[in-house]
Amino acid sequence: QVQLQESGPGLLKPSETLSLTCNVSGFSISSGYYWGWIRQPPGKGLEWIGSSRHRGTTYYNASLRSRVTISVDTPNNRISLRLSSVTAADTAVYFCASLRLAAAARFDYWGQGTLVTVS
Amino acid sequence: SYELTQPPSVSVSPGQTASITCSGDKLGDMYACWYQQKPGQSPVLVIYQDNQRPSGIPERFSGSSSGNTATLTISGTQAMDEADYYCQAWDDTTRAVFGGGTKLTVL
Repeated sequence: QVQLQESGPGLLKPSETLSLTCNVSGFSISSGYYWGWIRQPPGKGLEWIGSSRHRGTTYYNASLRSRVTISVDTPNNRISLRLSSVTAADTAVYFCASLRLAAAARFDYWGQGTLVTVS
Repeated sequence: SYELTQPPSVSVSPGQTASITCSGDKLGDMYACWYQQKPGQSPVLVIYQDNQRPSGIPERFSGSSSGNTATLTISGTQAMDEADYYCQAWDDTTRAVFGGGTKLTVL
């Protein structure tokens, strides 16, 4: 069973850099899936941030591209997210998720999410 | 950027059929999938590739697509189905895009 667990600071100040880690268990992240991040501001909908794969292309949401870096750490079976110059608008629950990017792209497995507040 | 449009809310009586739509330009050229999200929980994939159900998802959940509109149908809706539902597609330019979400209320 694939399990994903996000971790990282829950409170940031404006202009700081958000750094989150997602530990993956039950599956090797070097085995074909894409892995990425999705966020959800309080009371609002889902927003895809980006997805990456070991030795593969990284895709980013164009609206966040200039501030986002997603990395795949295969030795430790985890993925990371860095989002620079945060503002209050970046306050959200951040989910990591596996992306099956075949003919029908979908996010199969999700972490429980971690709330990041910028204040 | 690419957008998917969903109705903000849908209401249904227990035991009846609920339908939630998702529309977007050229959606007919892509596959749609659907997620269920209950309060305080992570989204769960309930339909992928327009009409495929992942293992463990009840048969009352089904999906269809016609033209540029995808539809999630819940037959025999139960109280436990009350949740937010999101459609999602993958566009070659925008990449992953989610609809705005639909709150399903089981009255």
